[in-house]
Amino acid sequence: GAVVSQHPSRVICKSGTSVKIECRSLDFQATTMFWYRQFPKQSLMLMATSNEGSKATYEQGVEKDKFLINHASLTLSTLTVTSAHPEDSSFYICSARAQTGENIQYFGAGTRLSVL
Amino acid sequence: QKEVEQNSGPLSVPEGAIASLNCTYSDRGSQSFFWYRQYSGKSPELIMFIYSNGDKEDGRFTAQLNKASQYVSLLIRDSQPSDSATYLCAALWGGGKLIFGQGTELSVKP
Repeated sequence: GAVVSQHPSRVICKSGTSVKIECRSLDFQATTMFWYRQFPKQSLMLMATSNEGSKATYEQGVEKDKFLINHASLTLSTLTVTSAHPEDSSFYICSARAQTGENIQYFGAGTRLSVL
Repeated sequence: QKEVEQNSGPLSVPEGAIASLNCTYSDRGSQSFFWYRQYSGKSPELIMFIYSNGDKEDGRFTAQLNKASQYVSLLIRDSQPSDSATYLCAALWGGGKLIFGQGTELSVKP
């Protein structure tokens, strides 16, 4: 299957700082990437859809100014959590959609963010 | 409201048995469905996808789709302790988005 790399795997930061998470498709081009957030014992919640060369589309209730998404190339999307607060602590996971007919999304390993 | 519903479990089966995981979805417009497995602390990994009514088999896994009943299931034959994980059902909506169910926790007892 296709490989999606996500870094860093874990971040611990102080409240008020910004954190950048990278998501790369290693062996395929991804015009569309997705960012999810998962709280303990809950399912994945889609935050935003990231399209190469255009603005991201955010889901209802997700603050676009807090969660900045950049998709500058066909293999890289970044999520920046600005002015992070303890309530932003969560497991953030990206996925990339392969350009095949099945619309399969391949997931990165996830980033566990802990804001102190 | 687009929803995907799963029984959260936990579902416990003995080693070697068949595990049956079920999922229903609310919007008839969805055409494709995915089963992901997620180990604790890890990200989801794709097991199977299905978009045609009927059964689709891959090794020990069989996905079943019934669009009339808006029902998707995953059968795991000869369950192994290593199959113990949370299984996520997802439906594909417009724009390539996946809507996930809450997941079913499966425990396979040796």
